[in-house]
Amino acid sequence: QKEVEQNSGPLSVPEGAIASLNCTYSDRGSQSFFWYRQYSGKSPELIMSIYSNGDKEDGRFTAQLNKASQYVSLLIRDSQPSDSATYLCAVNFPNAGNNRKLIWGLGTSLAVNP
Amino acid sequence: NAGVTQTPKFQVLKTGQSMTLQCAQDMNHNSMYWYRQDPGMGLRLIYYSASEGTTDKGEVPNGYNVSRLNKREFSLRLESAAPSQTSVYFCASRSAGVANEQFFGPGTRLTVL
Repeated sequence: QKEVEQNSGPLSVPEGAIASLNCTYSDRGSQSFFWYRQYSGKSPELIMSIYSNGDKEDGRFTAQLNKASQYVSLLIRDSQPSDSATYLCAVNFPNAGNNRKLIWGLGTSLAVNP
Repeated sequence: NAGVTQTPKFQVLKTGQSMTLQCAQDMNHNSMYWYRQDPGMGLRLIYYSASEGTTDKGEVPNGYNVSRLNKREFSLRLESAAPSQTSVYFCASRSAGVANEQFFGPGTRLTVL
């Protein structure tokens, strides 16, 4: 089983719709969860972090965490063409070493169509 | 604040050549990281440094060395480049405490012929 899994996509949504991106992880002890956005040819950019069960909202973005089911999701409301990118899920695995390394998913490609 | 900076942006090497990738951060972070990103492989950790004066191997350290020059700077050296090291290299630094968030530099696109 992969440690952090994401559907590779591409996920295609029309402009103005809600985009839903999902991520599952294997380590039940994980405490920190992150969503990064990566435009083609650019570096990953942190857009959301979440540490507690439930929802966390920031503008058009909502991160949802369910530790019992070991998944974290990202909702993008009112999707815009500028949201077209690859979204990376990263999870802090507490047993990965003293430096608390992040374990990365391979990313979901999102295309928002005008 | 510039955040995390990397040089060079692009580099082409011949097999067997050596080079050093430079990284600096101005956010006063203790931890710094070097990743490589390849299509279909995702981000893979090469080396990290938890604090000034310490470095540790990540999941793909072979063929690389690092130096944590001071709190700000963390360099990655390829002693004898191989075509398998063709990749995009990212440096990142991490905030302390609960946040544990990593911030990335713009990357170096390296081609080894």
